[in-house]
Amino acid sequence: DSGVTQTPKHLITATGQRVTLRCSPRSGDLSVYWYQQSLDQGLQFLIQYYNGEERAKGNILERFSAQQFPDLHSELNLSSLELGDSALYFCASSLFLAGETGELFFGEGSRLTVL
Amino acid sequence: GESVGLHLPTLSVQEGDNSIINCAYSNSASDYFIWYKQESGKGPQFIIDIRSNMDKRQGQRVTVLLNKTVKHLSLQIAATQPGDSAVYFCAENFGSEKLVFGKGTKLTVNP
Repeated sequence: DSGVTQTPKHLITATGQRVTLRCSPRSGDLSVYWYQQSLDQGLQFLIQYYNGEERAKGNILERFSAQQFPDLHSELNLSSLELGDSALYFCASSLFLAGETGELFFGEGSRLTVL
Repeated sequence: GESVGLHLPTLSVQEGDNSIINCAYSNSASDYFIWYKQESGKGPQFIIDIRSNMDKRQGQRVTVLLNKTVKHLSLQIAATQPGDSAVYFCAENFGSEKLVFGKGTKLTVNP
């Protein structure tokens, strides 16, 4: 158990809909990262927050947004969903920034299926 | 550009053999490299890391080698066990706030 909690574990929805994925980082971790993993794909970095502030953006679509709240949990919002958004979405946390330590602690992911 | 890739998508070894998983990176400015293991149905798990001022780093049954000349990274697993079966990702960081992951190599350990 990494200590990172993601909800929901599975989500099935229709195209055009909007979903919110939630992440609770390990106790004390200030950094939260979101990654997308599609079938046969690696982990695509989406966005990172550190202590409530956005620190880095990757290939995150404009239809997607995220935030980190004062209690350090984070939410990833996916809107106007398309079939191609079906993927595993991972949240990871770390105490420090990625350049200081690459030891991210990953949750077990939220599997999104868009029909 | 961001490019971390794997030489082989799959690797099959016999239990007890040593495994070598390779990774090529394209950004010569990358200064920090990490290997992750992802078991089926789970999130990736940190294995070992190495900074660019080192050529080799050893952990428990694992060794990471870094060849900056050819921009190549490898993970060696000694005495591979069935529990080592997983997808292995290399990741790089080049002074930014994010890790860039490669596509992964699936390691299968045959009994």
